[in-house]
Amino acid sequence: DVKVTQSSRYLVKRTGEKVFLECVQDMDHENMFWYRQDPGLGLRLIYFSYDVKMKEKGDIPEGYSVSREKKERFSLILESASTNQTSMYLCASSQGESSGANVLTFGAGSRLTVL
Amino acid sequence: GQNIDQPTEMTATEGAIVQINCTYQTSGFNGLFWYQQHAGEAPTFLSYNVLDGLEEKGRFSSFLSRSKGYSYLLLKELQMKDSASYLCAVRDSNYQLIWGAGTKLIIKP
Repeated sequence: DVKVTQSSRYLVKRTGEKVFLECVQDMDHENMFWYRQDPGLGLRLIYFSYDVKMKEKGDIPEGYSVSREKKERFSLILESASTNQTSMYLCASSQGESSGANVLTFGAGSRLTVL
Repeated sequence: GQNIDQPTEMTATEGAIVQINCTYQTSGFNGLFWYQQHAGEAPTFLSYNVLDGLEEKGRFSSFLSRSKGYSYLLLKELQMKDSASYLCAVRDSNYQLIWGAGTKLIIKP
């Protein structure tokens, strides 16, 4: 019954390493999102995508990039990981319309630690 | 700037009722959402309000007053499994979600 799958639950990387976080959804959703979740802060949007090959910057895109080559897959890339990117990363998807109760379905999260 | 405020932590007793408040200041309003997040798990959708008033869904109800920039989530007949964080989010004029930091609800027997 898994709908949004994030490839890694826990990762430990070193400063300067390239990090790939993968997300796959099986609901044929048009929209996909990457958030980070830090204690005491609301979810912050990193990047989102409304269609294949399309991407839009969110509130905190610096230090991140994304790739959406297929509708079901949305990857988050940290080109050169830094310690301030230690966080919980949440992937989410939703159907195409932006109005109404356009509910987000989240993955279980990827907890990244950068040493 | 845009801001969502909710209490950091609340404690309640099993079987009781608890109200979790959320106040917001955003650029426009296109709906308010409540999500539940158990520790180490994905947030899951609870409720959506776009018009003023109360929406009831089983033991959970959500209220909205757009003129006051205020919502609350009401949980009745609390169960131990209701121990979780509750996230309030507002969709702004650009249809982007602005999230509160979440309220950690602790249920005691």
